[in-house]
Amino acid sequence: GAVVSQHPSWVICKSGTSVKIECRSLDFQATTMFWYRQFPKQSLMLMATSNEGSKATYEQGVEKDKFLINHASLTLSTLTVTSAHPEDSSFYICSCQGPNTGELFFGEGSRLTVL
Amino acid sequence: GQNIDQPTEMTATEGAIVQINCTYQTSGFNGLFWYQQHAGEAPTFLSYNVLDGLEEKGRFSSFLSRSKGYSYLLLKELQMKDSASYLCAVRPYSGGYQKVTFGTGTKLQVIP
Repeated sequence: GAVVSQHPSWVICKSGTSVKIECRSLDFQATTMFWYRQFPKQSLMLMATSNEGSKATYEQGVEKDKFLINHASLTLSTLTVTSAHPEDSSFYICSCQGPNTGELFFGEGSRLTVL
Repeated sequence: GQNIDQPTEMTATEGAIVQINCTYQTSGFNGLFWYQQHAGEAPTFLSYNVLDGLEEKGRFSSFLSRSKGYSYLLLKELQMKDSASYLCAVRPYSGGYQKVTFGTGTKLQVIP
């Protein structure tokens, strides 16, 4: 079964609105979660590293004020796309590092479409 | 910086064997992953190599040579459902929860 749950799977919103995506680790506590974005026919691009109880670390070129990350507990991280625009339409995927082997477990992904 | 190279596309015949290569140049090394990703879905874990050599898991095998910065994923007895993108990913640093960098992926098409 899934060890990382992501919600919602699909979301369509109007330009200018905000969208929140949740990522939950189900079987273990994850002090660190990673948020990726994937455009069609491209690979996963790391957006930010979410750290429980502290500020997220953003990759170069990712606007921290636009992509708000909150990691309030050891099992939940949220990504909020603020004032979404059509160019933000993408597949957003979270992942957590497993406690033993270091394997990355991925959520199911959230497909965002901004109209 | 990190640089990971893999072929963009490959085509193979059902029942055959295919090898997908990955070369990397990273600042330090602490493991290489292979993931399978079907269109519109999240990646699923295939293998993890941290030491040199071949890791076999059913129809899938992964090889690593750290001195050459090289890995390959070997798929045997190809099935139509193996048509997917295969992502090579490297964790560059040792210790702690270090971010993983993904290659651009190899889109494999299995034909009858």
